[in-house]
Amino acid sequence: AQKVTQAQTEISVVEKEDVTLDCVYETRDTTYYLFWYKQPPSGELVFLIRRNSFDEQNEISGRYSWNFQKSTSSFNFTITASQVVDSAVYFCALSEASGNQFYFGTGTSLTVIP
Amino acid sequence: SAVISQKPSRDICQRGTSLTIQCQVDSQVTMMFWYRQQPGQSLTLIATANQGSEATYESGFVIDKFPISRPNLTFSTLTVSNMSPEDSSIYLCSVGLFADPYNEQFFGPGTRLTVL
Repeated sequence: AQKVTQAQTEISVVEKEDVTLDCVYETRDTTYYLFWYKQPPSGELVFLIRRNSFDEQNEISGRYSWNFQKSTSSFNFTITASQVVDSAVYFCALSEASGNQFYFGTGTSLTVIP
Repeated sequence: SAVISQKPSRDICQRGTSLTIQCQVDSQVTMMFWYRQQPGQSLTLIATANQGSEATYESGFVIDKFPISRPNLTFSTLTVSNMSPEDSSIYLCSVGLFADPYNEQFFGPGTRLTVL
């Protein structure tokens, strides 16, 4: 079974719009870690955020915010006032404390139209 | 954190040849991994590079096709052998920092491989 699901394959928004990227995960571990990475056209994976399973506080960093909801096994990512530079593929990932492997979602390709 | 470099950054190769990708980390790390990202796809773990022993391969990947070396705690190589166009992908090296209270994984810039 897919451990990380990103149902949105592609999203297009007009600059300055807000956009939310969905991530749903599946794990039996009580301790796990969730991540978001950005992959711009250059191909490099840029680490955005890590969240521990025992810390459900939502986080805001500039225009980025993350909503972690254990009750729905979701870790959604919102970009406020999107910019063209936000255009990239965004990956959600899960790491379980019981193992060392990272499980990546299939990614959401975001295009911000000027 | 860790700073990771990869060589080459990109290459275009002929079918049937082999390419060795190098991954260098700026600090000693226990866990190193190799991923493949086919065009438009997510990341797929190829193997865990173990220092001093054979790499641990994931299902669908074999040592004959993707031999891996890990001579020390800061360096690893991945060879893509007997290449075919289906091997055209981005190959990423990553290092894992697995220490309570967090796991973290840092990625190299990737090697963009095109096989003609």
